[in-house]
Amino acid sequence: EAEVAQSPRYKITEKSQAVAFWCDPISGHATLYWYRQILGQGPELLVQFQDESVVDDSQLPKDRFSAERLKGVDSTLKIQPAELGDSAMYLCASSLEKQDTQYFGPGTRLTVL
Amino acid sequence: SQQGEEDPQALSIQEGENATMNCSYKTSINNLQWYRQNSGRGLVHLILIRSNEREKHSGRLRVTLDTSKKSSSLLITASRAADTASYFCYPGGSNYKLTFGKGTLLTVNP
Repeated sequence: EAEVAQSPRYKITEKSQAVAFWCDPISGHATLYWYRQILGQGPELLVQFQDESVVDDSQLPKDRFSAERLKGVDSTLKIQPAELGDSAMYLCASSLEKQDTQYFGPGTRLTVL
Repeated sequence: SQQGEEDPQALSIQEGENATMNCSYKTSINNLQWYRQNSGRGLVHLILIRSNEREKHSGRLRVTLDTSKKSSSLLITASRAADTASYFCYPGGSNYKLTFGKGTLLTVNP
């Protein structure tokens, strides 16, 4: 069964450093989502792509976060510089279209020291 | 952004009992989805109910949808310890800016 791949699974970094996360969605899925989840909370949408276009990044802290999906396939989420408050699980999900079932990857757990 | 609000926030039951959790939302939807998240893992899709459906079953899961009240419920029958997880609803609408609520933390005690 096809799965959403994410790497790395774990990342420890010091504040002010740059970090990058990678996501490979299920083949053929047009919609890709990046979520941030703090322990005990639900996933918060950071950015949503439809093919290569950003359709919602209203909750993305644009002064330090950036996301791209250049060819409409895999995607990268970057944080520069990282802050202590960025410690969280970063989840990637994909769906055939924007209202369809979302398939989640295993996530990247980021710890900022 | 539109999100589902799950209730209760936490639920603790004994193995074999039924668990019911509720979801409310605010705007029109095309479907409503329920997801489960085991500790420290990604979310897993459980069931999707369309706006023109009132009830749907999948194994031990039963979902109802009342669009007039903008609410849904998820019933898990004959619960097992492995059902211990957080459960989230996701109101699928035609607009963007959709996200998840805080979820219901279900604990099934053996």
